[in-house]
Amino acid sequence: DAGVIQSPRHEVTEMGQEVTLRCKPISGHNSLFWYRQTMMRGLELLIYFNNNVPIDDSGMPEDRFSAKMPNASFSTLKIQPSEPRDSAVYFCASSQDRGYTDTQYFGPGTRLTVL
Amino acid sequence: AQSVTQLGSHVSVSEGALVLLRCNYSSSVPPYLFWYVQYPNQGLQLLLKYTSAATLVKGINGFEAEFKKSETSFHLTKPSAHMSDAAEYFCAVRRTSGSRLTFGEGTQLTVNP
Repeated sequence: DAGVIQSPRHEVTEMGQEVTLRCKPISGHNSLFWYRQTMMRGLELLIYFNNNVPIDDSGMPEDRFSAKMPNASFSTLKIQPSEPRDSAVYFCASSQDRGYTDTQYFGPGTRLTVL
Repeated sequence: AQSVTQLGSHVSVSEGALVLLRCNYSSSVPPYLFWYVQYPNQGLQLLLKYTSAATLVKGINGFEAEFKKSETSFHLTKPSAHMSDAAEYFCAVRRTSGSRLTFGEGTQLTVNP
């Protein structure tokens, strides 16, 4: 199994630009999670999907952030317009969600730098 | 609401010494608890998880954790540290409904030669 795939691995952009992060979950997994990791705030859940439907987006910082999951094998996290405070490592994770003990499998992350 | 507290943001041990990383949880119902490890520039990887089947849980790389309800703790241990154990370790608790994991702030483990 290839694991959770994220692209790009690194992104450097200027303030005001649109940024799109991509994630391919593990085949057969029906839950997908987007996390943000910073030194100041640690690991935060932004949003999660179950069967392609957003279930909990309470962690999405503001309207500049949006996430979609058009099918079971692809999700995007978009920031428009980006700001320097969005600089962080963004992780995607997936799980089979058959019960409370399911393991979340994390991708390698996208390191975003907004100048 | 469930939450976890990791005591000590940085722990330093000598190679071959005991590793003890502390995690306390707060939960109004029996929790589901996890330990994840993050190596530099990588995503998180599951070390072990408590699912109420047994209070002593063995994980990968020689790590284990013991669920102690009386102490509301789920500390992570390894008898003998190896240089390759240097990483950040996260304790997490899962709600009894839904898929959401709540992570602790993490403990950075340094292993000295």
